[in-house]
Amino acid sequence: QVHLQESGPGLVKPSETLSLTCTVSGDSVSGKYWSWIRQPPGKGLEWIGYIFSSGTAKYNPSLKSRVAMSVDMSSNQISLTLRSLTAADTASYYCAFGSGGYRYWGQGVLVIVSS
Amino acid sequence: QYVLTQPSSVSGTPGQRVTISCSGSTSNIGSSNVYWYQQLPGMAPKTVIYRNDQRPSGVPDRFSGSKSGNSASLTISGLRSDDEADYHCASWDDTLTSPVFGGGTKVTVL
Repeated sequence: QVHLQESGPGLVKPSETLSLTCTVSGDSVSGKYWSWIRQPPGKGLEWIGYIFSSGTAKYNPSLKSRVAMSVDMSSNQISLTLRSLTAADTASYYCAFGSGGYRYWGQGVLVIVSS
Repeated sequence: QYVLTQPSSVSGTPGQRVTISCSGSTSNIGSSNVYWYQQLPGMAPKTVIYRNDQRPSGVPDRFSGSKSGNSASLTISGLRSDDEADYHCASWDDTLTSPVFGGGTKVTVL
């Protein structure tokens, strides 16, 4: 059973950069796709992007200019960076195993963008 | 806003069968697998159906998925109070070359 655990700040100021980490246990990140999805309060799911363990990534065009993902195989972790935050980025952020469909999800982390 | 179309809500009484529809197009559901995610209040999504009709271990067989043409559906048989949740459908879109979601369906147990 694959277990994913997100970690990161719950409160970030506008214009700052968000950095989240997803720690994977029960399997290696190597040779697989990993995704980030977010969900604004009371709304549906929004795909942020996915990354292969080699580092090849694809991002949502609406976020592409502000987002970056990386893989750390030594720590078995996936990372998400989102720059120039606004209130519209307030959401629960989830990491998940897969690219187009997800078998396993992390528990998520609520990120509030506010001064 | 959402590429896939789901009803905003469905309801049923305990023991009933409810079906949630998910409508797409030839570029997504018509050519790719469909996934269904259950999201209990305040919790993270959980996969209840993958690859159209496959149930992960631990998901009761009361949950079933099907796909026909450009549409898919999730059926919950023997509805229980703890099935009350939001259910999201998802698929891959060949034109967008990205995953796409429905807006979610709230299931209420009366």
